[in-house]
Parts: sequence; C-alpha cells; structure tokens
Amino acid sequence: DGGITQSPKYLFRKEGQNVTLSCEQNLNHDAMYWYRQDPGQGLRLIYYSQIVNDFQKGDIAEGYSVSREKKESFPLTVTSAQKNPTAFYLCASGTKLYNEQFFGPGTRLTVL
Amino acid sequence: AQSVSQHNHHVILSEAASLELGCNYSYGGTVNLFWYVQYPGQHLQLLLKYFSGDPLVKGIKGFEAEFIKSKFSFNLRKPSVQWSDTAEYFCAVTPSGTYKYIFGTGTRLKVLA
Repeated sequence: DGGITQSPKYLFRKEGQNVTLSCEQNLNHDAMYWYRQDPGQGLRLIYYSQIVNDFQKGDIAEGYSVSREKKESFPLTVTSAQKNPTAFYLCASGTKLYNEQFFGPGTRLTVL
Repeated sequence: AQSVSQHNHHVILSEAASLELGCNYSYGGTVNLFWYVQYPGQHLQLLLKYFSGDPLVKGIKGFEAEFIKSKFSFNLRKPSVQWSDTAEYFCAVTPSGTYKYIFGTGTRLKVLA
C-alpha cells in the first residue's frame, strides 16, 4: 500500500525531554512537510523539504528541528526549547507537478 | 504576510440544507487553491483543487468551489448536505511555483440528521 506512515499515534514525554516523531512515505514524492494542528488554529507549517538534504523553516519553526537524509523519511524533533509542545502533528508529502499534499494519520504528542 | 481566512468557524446544518463555506486569501500573485476535509478519526484528504482554467471546480462527494480572482475568494459549496459531511474543512493556498502551503483555521461542519 502506498502512503504516509507516522509513528507512534500517541506519544507522551516529560517536560524538558527532546522527542522525535517519525514520518515515512513510499509515494516517491519529492516534498515533505510537518504541520502542527491546534484547535481553532488550523494547520501551521513547521518545516518543509523540497529535496533530500535540504529543508526550510515554516511559520513556527522555533523549538523544532528536522533532517532529510533520505527521500522517504522526514523526522521531526521537538526540543525542550519548544514552549508549548503538546499538540497534534501532521506529516505530509507532495508532488512537484501538481503540488497536492497527501497527509499521514498524525501523532498526538502530550508533554507532561 | 500571506494568509488565508475562513470566517465560519462552526456551522450547523440540517440534512438537505445548502452549504457555502467562505475562504479568502491575501496574496497578489498567481495561486493554487485547495479545499481539504478531515472526517472524524480520518486523515486529511483533498476535496478539490484549482490551478487554472474554469474557475468553477468540482470535487468529490458533490462539492464544488468557485475561484473569484477579483475577490481573492475560493468558497466551497454543496447544494444538499448529508449527515456524512460532518467534518472539518480547510482551505489552503500555495503561491504558484512554490512548495509552501498556507492553511486557513478550518471550519467545523456538523450536519444534523
């Protein structure tokens, strides 16, 4: 099956700990994205990557980091510098030509 | 700064009522426009998209949207909603030639059976 996998579905961490969220796609898409979804605020772009070994900050990149060492993978690290990390995180990938995005199921992160 | 506004945050309709959800964006250049839907417990999925050509685009499940360039709008419509249309709807814009998406804050639609 082609698609985007995010793991785990639920994640709990203690305050002050870094945590890495996984995102894998087998759609052969060039672009990958990370969003944060909070009630009433829609989707806010954290980071995106157009190609392997390259990525750009989105609107709310502070306290987050990413890497893009493989086309299929775009992990997101939520660092202890992120002041309000509890949220629902969505990963997406997209094609260059049609620029449509395909979304994963999301990871709900709770920082205690 | 580029932005997308969805003025209806919560909408409640009875089955068979007509639906129109507003979407306005702020960007002076050429854009690609999208509506995504998130059904309860499911992934976000594409409802419809506009790149060029006929400004009235049709999507899945009987939805359509009209791009009015002069009003910077891309409103979503459906003539007769069903209970299964209960979901959250997001408008999104991407300036042509870029990878960066800008999403609206979403509209939660509840359809009463």
